[in-house]
Amino acid sequence: DADVTQTPRNRITKTGKRIMLECSQTKGHDRMYWYRQDPGLGLQLIYYSFDVKDINKGEISDGYSVSRQAQAKFSLSLESAIPNQTALYFCATSGSGENYGYTFGSGTRLTVV
Amino acid sequence: RKEVEQDPGPFNVPEGATVAFNCTYSNSASQSFFWYRQDCRKEPKLLMSVYSSGNEDGRFTAQLNRASQYISLLIRDSKLSDSATYLCVVNGASGTYKYIFGTGTRLKVLA
Repeated sequence: DADVTQTPRNRITKTGKRIMLECSQTKGHDRMYWYRQDPGLGLQLIYYSFDVKDINKGEISDGYSVSRQAQAKFSLSLESAIPNQTALYFCATSGSGENYGYTFGSGTRLTVV
Repeated sequence: RKEVEQDPGPFNVPEGATVAFNCTYSNSASQSFFWYRQDCRKEPKLLMSVYSSGNEDGRFTAQLNRASQYISLLIRDSKLSDSATYLCVVNGASGTYKYIFGTGTRLKVLA
């Protein structure tokens, strides 16, 4: 099993619909993150969580919300999807401390039509 | 100025060549530096951390130049399988969560 699992892998949804992307990890790490990636742009941080009771906005949180259901689970919701939220979404986890790199999930390709 | 800048490439090199990428960063207080590899439509994967004294992992060498605020990645004896996009990642000031990803440098190794 993958260390970080994202579901669904691909999703096409209509404008205005609510959609949830799910992420679970088996690394036992406290820190989890949601990023989006658009062609020609770097990964942009949407939300991050350093433990179950800690949720923080990233650079581009508008239009998104998250839920940290357990240490291992961190879900991202698009409350009312719009076409410019079409992107590749990655969940990641890391250990505590500055020199830990990230382990990413394999991504969710979301298309809003 | 972008916080992390990379030449997007592509760098087209023959098999067996040596190739180097640079990445500049704007925050002089940054403490953690990484190189990630990303294959097309796949997730980024950690290639190596970059340490102050420089470090090597097989054919890959990473270096940090704090005075000029850049990190570099050198790949020796390039393989076809090295074709990918290489992302530079820098964190903010010590104690902050924030990792900044560069937009990546694309490498194509040609047969």
